[in-house]
Parts: sequence; C-alpha cells; structure tokens
Amino acid sequence: GIQVEQSPPDLILQEGANSTLRCNFSDSVNNLQWFHQNPWGQLINLFYIPSGTKQNGRLSATTVATERYSLLYISSSQTTDSGVYFCALPDTGRRALTFGSGTRLQVQP
Amino acid sequence: DTEVTQTPKHLVMGMTNKKSLKCEQHMGHRAMYWYKQKAKKPPELMFVYSYEKLSINESVPSRFSPECPNSSLLNLHLHALQPEDSALYLCASSQDTGTGELFFGEGSRLTVL
Repeated sequence: GIQVEQSPPDLILQEGANSTLRCNFSDSVNNLQWFHQNPWGQLINLFYIPSGTKQNGRLSATTVATERYSLLYISSSQTTDSGVYFCALPDTGRRALTFGSGTRLQVQP
Repeated sequence: DTEVTQTPKHLVMGMTNKKSLKCEQHMGHRAMYWYKQKAKKPPELMFVYSYEKLSINESVPSRFSPECPNSSLLNLHLHALQPEDSALYLCASSQDTGTGELFFGEGSRLTVL
C-alpha cells in the first residue's frame, strides 16, 4: 500500500512562531487532506488539496503531486493550534484514506 | 459544528456486554466509514460502506459488526470485546469512496473493562 511519512514527529513552538509540516507519499494521488486533531479527539478538516496551494487564514497548504509531497504552513501560531496534524491519502487500489503518523504540535504561551 | 454525529461520546462496557455505536450524516454522502484510533496513533480503517453496501472490511474481528440501515446511518455493534479494543472509534462520510472530502464525527471513546 501507499507509504505516508510526516515530519517532524514532534514540534514545540512559542506562541507567534511560524512552522512548516511536511507529508511525503510514495504513490501518485488524486486526493490529499490535512486534518487537525484537537486534544478532545475531534478531527477537523483543514484542507482538501490534491494539488496546488490553498490558504485559510493563518494556515496554508501546498501539494506538489509530481514530487509526492505536501506542506502545511502555520503562521503566527496560537496555543489553540496545539494538537496533532495528520495528512491522509487514498491507499493504492483502495478507495479509502490512509493516514500518516502525524505531527504532534505544542504551542507554548 | 460537525455534520457527522456520533453517539454515545463515551461508553464503558464489560467484556460480556453488547452495545452499539451510532453515526448519522445529513450531507447526502453515499460513502461511510468506521476508523479505530489508539492513543498516540493515527486512525486505522475498519470498514467502508458504499451505497449502503459493505465494500471494505479490513480483516476486523467478528466481535465488531457494522450495519448500514440507510444512506444516512451507520452502526457498529459490539459484542464480547476485549480490553485491547478500548479506543476512539471515528465515523466519517464522503460523497463517494476514494473521491471527495472526508468528514469525521467527534468520535466515541470506548473503554472495555
């Protein structure tokens, strides 16, 4: 099946700092999503971004499908950004998303 | 607010109990999913329903029994579970399998004693 690697696995930031999270994948895809899982377990959709660049407030994402990676940018981080960030892609031959291992982000005041 | 609703949010059950997790979506989606998530791990796919028919079963033990009564509802029946089945169970839906954006409910946190 598809291999999905996220980096870094853990990240600690001071409030106001910027960060870049990376998702590498092994196969070409037509569907890629970024999620934020808050401390209560809720998975919140951030971006549906099979290719190109999208922005939503302080967050933006870029997927370069031909080079098999996606980046999530967080600017001016806030404590509410803490949690785990997952990228998810459809597994080869299956019609369901497989998740990367996640980046655990802690934003300190 | 999520448009995928899961109940109950928390469930504690003994190994001999029978219980059910319920999921409902009102987005007109035709694909629904159950994922299982252990602490500090990513969600893992359990089942996929497409147009109310089971299309993927990820070799899940038979003590987990999914049911899709109609296109808006998805149940997960639990029987004779083990303590290692304690986890967060997440329901999701999408327009169709493999395409479109996936939306998750808030999850049902299950503890098996």
